[in-house]
Amino acid sequence: DADVTQTPRNRITKTGKRIMLECSQTKGHDRMYWYRQDPGLGLRLIYYSFDVKDINKGEISDGYSVSRQAQAKFSLSLESAIPNQTALYFCATSDSSGGGKDTQYFGPGTRLTVL
Amino acid sequence: QKEVEQNSGPLSVPEGAIASLNCTYSDRVSQSFFWYRQYSGKSPELIMSIYSNGDKEDGRFTAQLNKASQYVSLLIRDSQPSDSATYLCARESGGSNYKLTFGKGTLLTVNP
Repeated sequence: DADVTQTPRNRITKTGKRIMLECSQTKGHDRMYWYRQDPGLGLRLIYYSFDVKDINKGEISDGYSVSRQAQAKFSLSLESAIPNQTALYFCATSDSSGGGKDTQYFGPGTRLTVL
Repeated sequence: QKEVEQNSGPLSVPEGAIASLNCTYSDRVSQSFFWYRQYSGKSPELIMSIYSNGDKEDGRFTAQLNKASQYVSLLIRDSQPSDSATYLCARESGGSNYKLTFGKGTLLTVNP
C-alpha cells in the first residue's frame, strides 16, 4: 500500500461548489503539506501543518482552507470552487526528527477541474 | 527575483551522454537543497538531497552545491531514455520554518 494516499484522484466540478480533497499517510510523519501545480508555474505551497494544532498558510492560501483531523490526515477544502483553481494538487509529508533535513514525500496527486 | 530559478528547457541529450541541470537561488539562508524527478502526470520523487558545499554522488547522479555562488546542479551520467522527465530543484527555507520552495522545473529529454 502507498504511504501517502489522496482521494479522489480525479474530480470534475462546477463553479461555486464546495470540494474537499483528502490526504492520508501511514509514514508516521508529523508534518503535512498541500501544494498545487500548474503548467509553467511549478509547485506552490497552499497550506502546511507541523502537527495537529499547528496550521499555517502558504504562499497561495486564498480560496482554500484545511483541516488536520489527526496526525495521519490532512484535508484541503475549496469552499466555493472557481475555474482558476483547476490544477493538479499534491499532498506531501515530512518527518521533523530529521533535524532540518526535511525530505518531503508526495502523494499521487488529485487532478481537479472546475468548470 | 524568483527564489529558485531553473531553465525550463527542454534540455535534449543523446542516450549515454551527461545531462547537466542547473538551479540558482536568491537567498543565503537556505541550508538544504533537493532534486526531485517528476514524470508527466505523476508525483515528484526525491533523487538527491545535498546540504554541504561540494559534490554528492549516488549512482549515476551527482549533485553539486556552491553556497557562495548560490547555485546547485544535478549531473546525470550515462543518460537513459527512462531519465526523460521534469527535474525540480527545491531549497529549504531554513530556521524553524521548514518549508520547501520549488523551481519551475527543467524538462529533460534523452533521445535513444
